[in-house]
Amino acid sequence: GESVGLHLPTLSVQEGDNSIINCAYSNSASDYFIWYKQESGKGPQFIIDIRSNMDKRQGQRVTVLLNKTVKHLSLQIAATQPGDSAVYFCAEGDYGQNFVFGPGTRLSVLP
Amino acid sequence: DVKVTQSSRYLVKRTGEKVFLECVQDMDHENMFWYRQDPGLGLRLIYFSYDVKMKEKGDIPEGYSVSREKKERFSLILESASTNQTSMYLCASRPGTARGYTFGSGTRLTVV
Repeated sequence: GESVGLHLPTLSVQEGDNSIINCAYSNSASDYFIWYKQESGKGPQFIIDIRSNMDKRQGQRVTVLLNKTVKHLSLQIAATQPGDSAVYFCAEGDYGQNFVFGPGTRLSVLP
Repeated sequence: DVKVTQSSRYLVKRTGEKVFLECVQDMDHENMFWYRQDPGLGLRLIYFSYDVKMKEKGDIPEGYSVSREKKERFSLILESASTNQTSMYLCASRPGTARGYTFGSGTRLTVV
């Protein structure tokens, strides 16, 4: 089923601040999670992934946290920039199965 | 750089027309997918294919069909377009292991 509800939440942050985008997933058997970024008029782009045997993974300016106890995933963006403005959505999957995508969160970076 | 290419960025078609959306990937991926994306609903899986000439229904296959005659190409067909098929269509591919998808840029289809 759907991981999150039907409404697209919006997060507004000041340029330079840190952003935290949250995602609740539905399947406790999911063992692989991905964050995607989708800019207006473009297809989704891979940002970072994490497997269920980890609880934290860092990339360049981004960190993904996984809390399997409460089935929660978050994406942290450090020093948010105007180019980070986009829709971000998470995907959950199980080995060999297709991914389930959430509807996303719109991040708006204020000057 | 790996690529998934969708042949059209924007399409306008009339109700009842047969519509073909084409997708080509250059990564030798086994799995290919067609999603539609509507505001607030996220990505919904229409059809997928895990090998040449193989296809599987996704969550919303009604009104659609697909064709995969070659590994690199996956076509989505709207047999008789209707206005409720106005949407953004996204093609994706991935290798045959538990890895993330690579998406195309999308085709925004408007049916009038």
